[in-house]
Amino acid sequence: GESVGLHLPTLSVQEGDNSIINCAYSNSASDYFIWYKQESGKGPQFIIDIRSNMDKRQGQRVTVLLNKTVKHLSLQIAATQPGDSAVYFCAEGVQGGGNKLTFGTGTQLKVEL
Amino acid sequence: GAVVSQHPSRVICKSGTSVKIECRSLDFQATTMFWYRQFPKQSLMLMATSNEGSKATYEQGVEKDKFLINHASLTLSTLTVTSAHPEDSSFYICSASRQHSGNTIYFGEGSWLTVV
Repeated sequence: GESVGLHLPTLSVQEGDNSIINCAYSNSASDYFIWYKQESGKGPQFIIDIRSNMDKRQGQRVTVLLNKTVKHLSLQIAATQPGDSAVYFCAEGVQGGGNKLTFGTGTQLKVEL
Repeated sequence: GAVVSQHPSRVICKSGTSVKIECRSLDFQATTMFWYRQFPKQSLMLMATSNEGSKATYEQGVEKDKFLINHASLTLSTLTVTSAHPEDSSFYICSASRQHSGNTIYFGEGSWLTVV
């Protein structure tokens, strides 16, 4: 029979604007969080990570914020560029858990010219 | 930098046959590798943890007799999809962590499997 595909949440932004992608995680024991970028047909690319002893971490054009109270993670991309168009996933893990990650559902970022 | 390579990148096989996917860590040793499956428009789902020199650990709901994992060396893990069916068509991705460098996790480029 016909299958119904899932649709990823989509965030559309204008080139040059800032993007904020949000993620809710589920495991209170998770103490390591990573943001990945995945372009169509490719494997995930590491963007930035943060450990639970931090609330904020900055990279080049990207910032990750962690709110452990509400189990929320966000990725901020400054001056979004067309090359940023991709699907973004957050992943959570437990240090000492052998680098086993649980991925969030993903957000499709579309950058409009 | 460290690279994880998968082969083949794309494979088409007939229903009922088996297909093997390789995952290699190119310039580091990985005692543990992970296999994920990703359907279109969906997230990565962990299938199993591949342990060098011992049996793989499978996630709940993943058939170990259907998805055979062999981690015979510190740089190679293989995933064999046995008796493949069209519903096994998916994107299979492996990851490996490089110890002694912050345990950075590297992902392969993925392997597209289409079962016809």
